[in-house]
Amino acid sequence: EADIYQTPRYLVIGTGKKITLECSQTMGHDKMYWYQQDPGMELHLIHYSYGVNSTEKGDLSSESTVSRIRTEHFPLTLESARPSHTSQYLCASSGGRTSGYNEQFFGPGTRLTVL
Amino acid sequence: DQQVKQNSPSLSVQEGRISILNCDYTNSMFDYFLWYKKYPAEGPTFLISISSIKDKNEDGRFTVFLNKSAKHLSLHIVPSQPGDSAVYFCAARNDYKLSFGAGTTVTVRA
Repeated sequence: EADIYQTPRYLVIGTGKKITLECSQTMGHDKMYWYQQDPGMELHLIHYSYGVNSTEKGDLSSESTVSRIRTEHFPLTLESARPSHTSQYLCASSGGRTSGYNEQFFGPGTRLTVL
Repeated sequence: DQQVKQNSPSLSVQEGRISILNCDYTNSMFDYFLWYKKYPAEGPTFLISISSIKDKNEDGRFTVFLNKSAKHLSLHIVPSQPGDSAVYFCAARNDYKLSFGAGTTVTVRA
């Protein structure tokens, strides 16, 4: 069973607020990912990290930023939330002692609504 | 530029019958293909996968077929059960990153 956690699960917030979405995994995976998904659409990769102090932007441009100071922690931050940021944000990880790099394990997601 | 496409947004099947989900891709660099299952308000869960060097992989009720020349893969679920009702995503890997299709919503009728 995958051990990857995301908080909060749901967040409703006003325009202009700064938010941080948390993602943690206890599997020792070195690779972590953030995806954004709207209903009926594909998951879009917005950030990824292949190890501590390594972060890259994904295929979909995003105003969010990420950091990877510890292996197990990969938070995503929006400095000033806007209604266009309303979406589901999914965190995933892969690698390490559990499954190699073939599968990515996903957290439960954060449903963000910006009013 | 969507590199992975699931052209059927929905599929309705009777309990006990076979469900067949299809997926097409365009990038020849993909080396590994996966199917994920997703319930509303939850993250995707891994279902089954196949390496690009194989053409079939089976796991219980789930079988994935890969046709590299046609750049096409399919997922067969037999027999379909009510608990299989969910959204199924096809994904393809290149350089540790996954590209996803838009998903197919499967509804299993009793």
